[in-house]
Amino acid sequence: GAVVSQHPSRVICKSGTSVKIECRSLDFQATTMFWYRQFPKQSLMLMATSNEGSKATYEQGVEKDKFLINHASLTLSTLTVTSAHPEDSSFYICSARDPLAGLSDTQYFGPGTRLTVL
Amino acid sequence: QKEVEQDPGPLSVPEGAIVSLNCTYSNSAFQYFMWYRQYSRKGPELLMYTYSSGNKEDGRFTAQVDKSSKYISLFIRDSQPSDSATYLCAAAYGQNFVFGPGTRLSVLP
Repeated sequence: GAVVSQHPSRVICKSGTSVKIECRSLDFQATTMFWYRQFPKQSLMLMATSNEGSKATYEQGVEKDKFLINHASLTLSTLTVTSAHPEDSSFYICSARDPLAGLSDTQYFGPGTRLTVL
Repeated sequence: QKEVEQDPGPLSVPEGAIVSLNCTYSNSAFQYFMWYRQYSRKGPELLMYTYSSGNKEDGRFTAQVDKSSKYISLFIRDSQPSDSATYLCAAAYGQNFVFGPGTRLSVLP
């Protein structure tokens, strides 16, 4: 199946700093990528949908100025958490659709990034 | 009412048992249905993908969809401790993709 990577897998930062998380599709070109966050023992919460070459579409309640998303190429999307605070500590997971795969309506997930803001 | 509902569990079964995981959905527009497995602190992994009513089997896993009752199921035969994880169902149509909250499963040796 399609492979999606994320970097870093874990990051610890001080309050007020910005953190960038990368999501890459390794063996396919992803026109659409998704960013989720997940709190412990809770389900995935979609934050935004990222389309290559255009602005991301954010879900209601997600601050677009705080969570900056850039999808500059067909294999890379980045999420930047700006001025991070302890309440931003969470597990961030990206996913991607492979438009050329038979399972065009499914999503392939990255391994996730655990962010801890001190 | 949430679009996709799923009992969060936790569900504990002995090794070797048959596990039944279920979801219901409310939007009849959903056309594709998926099951993902998520181990602790890992990203979800696609297990099964179906798009029509009926059964689809893959090894010890069987996915079942009943569009008339808007009900989807995942059966795990001969469950193993390594099956202990959270299982998420998902339903999709077009650009719309909705996850259930997930069911935590523990298979006890």
